[in-house]
Amino acid sequence: KQEVTQIPAALSVPEGENLVLNCSFTDSAIYNLQWFRQDPGKGLTSLLLIQSSQREQTSGRLNASLDKSSGRSTLYIAASQPGDSATYLCAVRTDTGFQKLVFGTGTRLLVSP
Amino acid sequence: GAGVSQSPRYKVTKRGQDVALRCDPISGHVSLYWYRQALGQGPEFLTYFNYEAQQDKSGLPNDRFSAERPEGSISTLTIQRTEQRDSAMYRCASSPRPSGSINGELFFGEGSRLTVL
Repeated sequence: KQEVTQIPAALSVPEGENLVLNCSFTDSAIYNLQWFRQDPGKGLTSLLLIQSSQREQTSGRLNASLDKSSGRSTLYIAASQPGDSATYLCAVRTDTGFQKLVFGTGTRLLVSP
Repeated sequence: GAGVSQSPRYKVTKRGQDVALRCDPISGHVSLYWYRQALGQGPEFLTYFNYEAQQDKSGLPNDRFSAERPEGSISTLTIQRTEQRDSAMYRCASSPRPSGSINGELFFGEGSRLTVL
């Protein structure tokens, strides 16, 4: 059974810092990995989607890497801003048949001005 | 619509009552998924549809839970005889591609928060 773990569970940093969020999964047979942002009372916003054949994806200040063989992904946030405060979830897709995602429990990020 | 729309946003009900949660996916999206998210946890898969066909319901906790998508667009998740343990955020997601497409991305709605007293 695929299990996804995210470390740390919570992170508090001052504005401007670069930071790394970690995601690990137990079964390396994944088809893609997706990072989401969750704001209180809001839906999940997809940030980056990495296919299993890719090593990284970038969008603005965000960079996600994937090491499928070791079961790890990192989300790098450059020059953090208070608006980045949210819960970040990673999810892996393990089935070709449908998009059943297995989610981690998330990292709650607080960026202070 | 512009995004996935769910209603009601908040539902408080008494134990034993039935509830129906509605999901209106992004127009033209083929696949529709239901997830449940307990407080402090990540979402967990419940069931999904391709068009109007329910392809997998292995994540539904028990037979009090059912879902339908009769015309391949709007979906309803129904919970009968609710129990306190059913309290959670219920999230709907849709995808423009059929479920067999590896490249498909999921777009989530804001969720329906259910509280069973």
